Amino acid sequence: GAVVSQHPSWVICKSGTSVKIECRSLDFQATTMFWYRQFPKQSLMLMATSNEGSKATYEQGVEKDKFLINHASLTLSTLTVTSAHPEDSSFYICSARVSSTGELFFGEGSRLTVL
Amino acid sequence: AQSVTQLDSHVSVSEGTPVLLRCNYSSSYSPSLFWYVQHPNKGLQLLLKYTSAATLVKGINGFEAEFKKSETSFHLTKPSAHMSDAAEYFCVVTSFYNQGGKLIFGQGTELSVKP
Repeated sequence: GAVVSQHPSWVICKSGTSVKIECRSLDFQATTMFWYRQFPKQSLMLMATSNEGSKATYEQGVEKDKFLINHASLTLSTLTVTSAHPEDSSFYICSARVSSTGELFFGEGSRLTVL
Repeated sequence: AQSVTQLDSHVSVSEGTPVLLRCNYSSSYSPSLFWYVQHPNKGLQLLLKYTSAATLVKGINGFEAEFKKSETSFHLTKPSAHMSDAAEYFCVVTSFYNQGGKLIFGQGTELSVKP
């Protein structure tokens, strides 16, 4: 199947700093990408839908100024956690929809720990 | 509106015995249904999907699921569990006719396999 790469896989940062997580579709174009957050032993929670060339659509309760999403090309979406705090520590997963077929593929996830 | 309920948060089986992970869904539109597997600190891997073709769907690693519209169920089965099957399993529903094709995740079922 198609490959979605997330970088970094693990990141530890100090409280108050900003962290950027990248989601790349390596062998296909993705008009739409999705960002999820997953707490330990829980399901995935959709944070936002990222569309190439336009503003992201955020789910209710997700702070758009806190979680900045940019989808500047058909193969790259980024999630920036601004002024991170310990409560932002979580596993963040992206998925990308193949433009031509609509299939969805998931990245391997990024573990963020804020000290 | 769409929703999905995984009836068991945890299932434990012995190696070599059958696996049954239960999932019920609710959808006002023709649904697409998926089962994903997640190993610790990893992203999601698609096991199988139902998209209005054959009701008995065969997936990877010996898993299969049967779509039963009358029971609004999409249970995941495997005849003989292997130690490597121990993981978290998510049942997912979506419809491109509703909510723009967003994935709605169940709460997950943790499968343990005893030697």
